[in-house]
Amino acid sequence: GQQVMQIPQYQHVQEGEDFTTYCNSSTTLSNIQWYKQRPGGHPVFLIQLVKSGEVKKQKRLTFQFGEAKKNSSLHITATQTTDVGTYFCAGRSPGYSTLTFGKGTMLLVSP
Amino acid sequence: DAMVIQNPRYQVTQFGKPVTLSCSQTLNHNVMYWYQQKSSQAPKLLFHYYDKDFNNEADTPDNFQSRRPNTSFCFLDIRSPGLGDAAMYLCATSRVDRGTDTQYFGPGTRLTVL
Repeated sequence: GQQVMQIPQYQHVQEGEDFTTYCNSSTTLSNIQWYKQRPGGHPVFLIQLVKSGEVKKQKRLTFQFGEAKKNSSLHITATQTTDVGTYFCAGRSPGYSTLTFGKGTMLLVSP
Repeated sequence: DAMVIQNPRYQVTQFGKPVTLSCSQTLNHNVMYWYQQKSSQAPKLLFHYYDKDFNNEADTPDNFQSRRPNTSFCFLDIRSPGLGDAAMYLCATSRVDRGTDTQYFGPGTRLTVL
């Protein structure tokens, strides 16, 4: 079956430091999506990547999709306390109608 | 605003007492999902409806059932809740066409089993 691994499980940074979370799939993906879940909240869609080697930016967030469409990363430049939460990647494999979520990376930012 | 609504937000039930959680959406999405999320874990897909077609995940216990009477509503029935079923239950919707399947999550129902 589909497996999506995500690392690190947890990261604590000082405000202003950068942060990166990595996602790796056991199979080639049709697309990969990223979600953010604030403490006590529900997952909120951030972005979808579809093309091999795709890079997308949202302000301080940079998302990449690997050339083989099996890995992805989310990089946050100069973290702020509002970035606190758990970031999940979720991959969709060809022929599957659902997403497989990674275990998530919990980000804590100290002021 | 178009949205995904879940009721109740908090549900307390007794061990073995059936419980129903509800989800409604105003997005007119054709797919509705139910996830179980335990503390510090990823959402675990229980099942989903693609239009009227029900799709159960292989490892979803028989204790969990679902109904989708129309496009807007979907219910999660837990026939005999056990202590291990205490979790956040998330409903999500998506419109799976044109190559996109972004999921929109409701706020969740936190289930406590006494």
